Amino acid sequence: ETGVTQSPTHLIKTRGQQVTLRCSSQSGHNTVSWYQQALGQGPQFIFQYYREEENGRGNFPPRFSGLQFPNYSSELNVNALELDDSALYLCASSLDPGTVLFEETQYFGPGTRLLVL
Amino acid sequence: ELKVEQNPLFLSMQEGKNYTIYCNYSTTSDRLYWYRQDPGKSLESLFVLLSNGAVKQEGRLMASLDTKARLSTLHITAAVHDLSATYFCAVDIGNVFGQGTRLTINP
Repeated sequence: ETGVTQSPTHLIKTRGQQVTLRCSSQSGHNTVSWYQQALGQGPQFIFQYYREEENGRGNFPPRFSGLQFPNYSSELNVNALELDDSALYLCASSLDPGTVLFEETQYFGPGTRLLVL
Repeated sequence: ELKVEQNPLFLSMQEGKNYTIYCNYSTTSDRLYWYRQDPGKSLESLFVLLSNGAVKQEGRLMASLDTKARLSTLHITAAVHDLSATYFCAVDIGNVFGQGTRLTINP
């Protein structure tokens, strides 16, 4: 196991509702990235936070928002849920982004499976 | 826009055989990652490749990177059933993923 935890593990919501997913990073990691993985697809990058600031964003609408806290835990908030938001949501923690001097990788949490009805 | 393509997308092979998964990407990238995902599970990091010509090996898996060709390969030697999984490559800072290669190894 990686030391990255996510909650809840499963969630069922209805269209139009709002959801908050949580992630606790691996100890010592100051960067967290969130991904959406639809069934049978590769993970799609939502955004990344580094030291509490957004540090890059993928092609997702503003109703996907996030926070990173001083202890480097993180939240993903999704407003106005749509059916297509049903997916596995993964967070991944890592050390400083963009560092090429060492073999830094991301460590993924177990994911939250969201179903929107 | 950076695009990552893997092939094949599906691969069924017999134990003991060798095979290669290919990962092509569309623009220059500093690094390339390989991950494994078991059904219903999260992603496990396998390799980080940082430079042209980099080669990493772990057990029956070997990954290589050719930045000039924008190509990485994941080679499986003498496959065993436990290697059945979906394998993803990712580039940029590791946030642009390929579609995945679903590998099934039959006894």
